[in-house]
Amino acid sequence: DGGITQSPKYLFRKEGQNVTLSCEQNLNHDAMYWYRQDPGQGLRLIYYSQIVNDFQKGDIAEGYSVSREKKESFPLTVTSAQKNPTAFYLCASSIGGGRAVINEQFFGPGTRLTVL
Amino acid sequence: AQSVAQPEDQVNVAEGNPLTVKCTYSVSGNPYLFWYVQYPNRGLQFLLKYITGDNLVKGSYGFEAEFNKSQTSFHLKKPSALVSDSALYFCAVRDSMFSGGYNKLIFGAGTRLAVHP
Repeated sequence: DGGITQSPKYLFRKEGQNVTLSCEQNLNHDAMYWYRQDPGQGLRLIYYSQIVNDFQKGDIAEGYSVSREKKESFPLTVTSAQKNPTAFYLCASSIGGGRAVINEQFFGPGTRLTVL
Repeated sequence: AQSVAQPEDQVNVAEGNPLTVKCTYSVSGNPYLFWYVQYPNRGLQFLLKYITGDNLVKGSYGFEAEFNKSQTSFHLKKPSALVSDSALYFCAVRDSMFSGGYNKLIFGAGTRLAVHP
C-alpha cells in the first residue's frame, strides 16, 4: 500500500447524505483512479484522472463525483444519488505516459463505506 | 467484448504443494496482463505483468505466470505454496478498446486461494 493513503478506513453514511473519501499519493504519479469493489465481483472503475484539473467517467460514475486540484490528491464524493453505495472503495495511481506505455497501478488500503 | 475470466471461485492447496490460479482473457489486439493479490481489508498489491517477450513472467513473492496466446490464458503459479499466500487473487487485462490515453484495466472477479498447513 506504500505511497497511497486513503481515509477514513471505515465510514458510515446515513441515507441522503453526501460523503467524501480521501486519497493522497506521494509517488509523483500523474494518473489516479477510483474503483468500487463488491463481494464476488472484480473491481469496477468509477472515475479516473490523467492530469491535474482533468478527470473522466469510468464504467459506474453515476452518483459519484471527483476533483483533481492537486497532483497528489483525488477525493471521491459519494452523493445521495448513489442508490447502493455500501462497498469497499479503492484508490490507485500509476505513472502516466499514454497508451504506448504499459504501467501497473498501485493501490491504497481502501475505505469501507456502509450506509445505515 | 473484452473480458477476463477466473473460472475458480476458490482454490485449496496444501502447504508445500504447487499452486495454480487460472485466468483466461479476451481482448482485441495485443494482450497486456496483470496479477494482483489482496489480503483481507487491504488494497491490491501488484505481483507481475506480461507485456511482451518471454511467456514465463516472474514476479514478487516467488510467483510466476505463464502466458499462452493460443489458449488465451495467463495462469498464476508458485512451485511451493505457503500458508501466508492465502488471499484473494485478481487477474486483469488492459482495455485495448479504450480510446483514452491511459491504462484502463478490466479485472476478473477474483479467486480465493486457501493454503492449508
